[in-house]
Amino acid sequence: QKEVEQNSGPLSVPEGAIASLNCTYSDRGSQSFFWYRQYSGKSPELIMSIYSNGDKEDGRFTAQLNKASQYVSLLIRDSQPSDSATYLCAVRPSGSARQLTFGSGTQLTVLP
Amino acid sequence: DAGITQSPRHKVTETGTPVTLRCHQTENHRYMYWYRQDPGHGLRLIHYSYGVKDTDKGEVSDGYSVSRSKTEDFLLTLESATSSQTSVYFCAISDAKGRTYEQYFGPGTRLTVT
Repeated sequence: QKEVEQNSGPLSVPEGAIASLNCTYSDRGSQSFFWYRQYSGKSPELIMSIYSNGDKEDGRFTAQLNKASQYVSLLIRDSQPSDSATYLCAVRPSGSARQLTFGSGTQLTVLP
Repeated sequence: DAGITQSPRHKVTETGTPVTLRCHQTENHRYMYWYRQDPGHGLRLIHYSYGVKDTDKGEVSDGYSVSRSKTEDFLLTLESATSSQTSVYFCAISDAKGRTYEQYFGPGTRLTVT
């Protein structure tokens, strides 16, 4: 059973809107959570990490973590066409030290 | 991709031939990883290293071996390539930055096995 689940999309939002990307995970003991952005044909790029319940903001990006619901999300405010990419959720499960488990990604398209 | 290079960037090889992919880092990070990425499967860990000569298997290690003789280099070898190993291979590095172990990825190698 997949340990990290994401809606594959595609998700389309108009320019200037808020894009909401969601991720659920199965290991309740997971401690660290990461969002990566991957443009077509490129490598994943770390954009956010979050470790505590609540919100973490960095520019137009906000990561939200709810460990009780085993849910992590990424909000992108004022979406731009340049945000069009696949967003990967990654989780560091309990007991796995330095390893990450990745979701399959959500493809986001921001329409001009 | 700063500080991480992969070579070759593209390779086409025939079934049954050995292939070695190289990952080189200039960040002096302790941990290095090899992933493969396939449509519908996301990123899957093949092998990882937690120090020179210290390696361990990941989720999809069958058919792959690794070596790390220097901190900066992590080699992935396909002993006898098969068509199912056609994929994009990414190397990643991490270190104990605030104990978060954030991973950073290299540019990738696209491997085609015919």
